[in-house]
Amino acid sequence: DIQMTQSPSSLSASVGDRVTITCRASQGISNYLAWYQQKSGKVPKLLIYAASTLQSGVPSRFSGSGSGTDFTLTISSLQPEDVATYYCQKYNGAPRLAFGPGTKVDIK
Amino acid sequence: EVQLVESGGGLVQPGGSLRLSCAASGFIFSSYSMNWVRQAPGKGLEWISFISNSGNDIFFADSVKGRFTISRDNARNSLYLQMNSLRDEDTAVYYCATSLQIVGIVMEYWGQGTLVTVSS
Repeated sequence: DIQMTQSPSSLSASVGDRVTITCRASQGISNYLAWYQQKSGKVPKLLIYAASTLQSGVPSRFSGSGSGTDFTLTISSLQPEDVATYYCQKYNGAPRLAFGPGTKVDIK
Repeated sequence: EVQLVESGGGLVQPGGSLRLSCAASGFIFSSYSMNWVRQAPGKGLEWISFISNSGNDIFFADSVKGRFTISRDNARNSLYLQMNSLRDEDTAVYYCATSLQIVGIVMEYWGQGTLVTVSS
């Protein structure tokens, strides 16, 4: 099975900083990669699919890139409301879906 | 407004059964594939099951295959998850979620979740 890893597992950054989270697949998954945001005690929210397509209503400071095995989620200017755990998810090869372990983002 | 409301969670002993329901509103339920995703306390997300809009295509994660069944009633705008032979490790919040149309098994809208606790 394809394994998903994320780095870092957590990070602390200042408001306005550019933040980058990496997601890596153990085998190539083309661009079948989604990103979710989950705030503490809340339901996950879809941010990006197809590696770089922004879901409707998601602020443009969020962006995604990558293909194959290496992907990134970038927050161009971190805001207090972005404090959350971020998960990547591969969705090729159903039913072999998999989420990454998550990256917790905090404000310094 | 899309609404998904799960119900049926609770405390059950190991080896027991439970049936979760998800009531959908605010969209054409019969046009959407649906999923169940779970999250153990303090842990990450785990997709566990998919059903196509017609019910003809069904997938399960290996962790629940043979123990869980998924079904839907498009006339009642409802999704179900029958969970049998429950184990301690099935303890989690269970979410129902729509699949993003055309794209694939990407979870677009999520319910608030229902907690299942498996314990003696």
